[in-house]
Amino acid sequence: DVKVTQSSRYLVKRTGEKVFLECVQDMDHENMFWYRQDPGLGLRLIYFSYDVKMKEKGDIPEGYSVSREKKERFSLILESASTNQTSMYLCASSRGLAEGTDTQYFGPGTRLTVL
Amino acid sequence: KNEVEQSPQNLTAQEGEFITINCSYSVGISALHWLQQHPGGGIVSLFMLSSGKKKHGRLIATINIQEKHSSLHITASHPRDSAVYICAVSRNYQLIWGAGTKLIIKP
Repeated sequence: DVKVTQSSRYLVKRTGEKVFLECVQDMDHENMFWYRQDPGLGLRLIYFSYDVKMKEKGDIPEGYSVSREKKERFSLILESASTNQTSMYLCASSRGLAEGTDTQYFGPGTRLTVL
Repeated sequence: KNEVEQSPQNLTAQEGEFITINCSYSVGISALHWLQQHPGGGIVSLFMLSSGKKKHGRLIATINIQEKHSSLHITASHPRDSAVYICAVSRNYQLIWGAGTKLIIKP
């Protein structure tokens, strides 16, 4: 079974703090993704990575950065947290198969509250 | 207009009822995914399909590529089926997500 783990289930931070969200997958997947999920908006892609040290912006990268130094680990960084970044953050990974055949596997999510 | 639209947004039904959740999309896709999210956050992939129909237990997913429409059916629904069901389409190696359908099955 694929396992995707996230460093925290719940996190409370203050405005202006630097926040690190960690994601680790144990199945040697090529692709990793960070999403945020807000009521009524569904999942929105923040960043994704298709290889170590490679990253691509998703739909809403502003205010975020990412790091992928090792294949199994993909970190999401909030450089200066703001209240509008209060959300559920979901990490996913996939094998990187041909278009249309790839399944994403999700971590349990981190519910971040910025005060 | 969103590229992936789900209906209904919310659905409450009695245990045992036949459930249908719909997904329409407006872009060319290579595959369509149905996923389930239980309270607490974790998302699980249910189906990935590019044509026809797939069945797994009490769950059935169908897709009509010409009409750009998919349905997820649940037969003999049970309270443990209560969750958010999400439709997503694969396009250009990314997923485009619907907003989800919140399903509550009452005993």
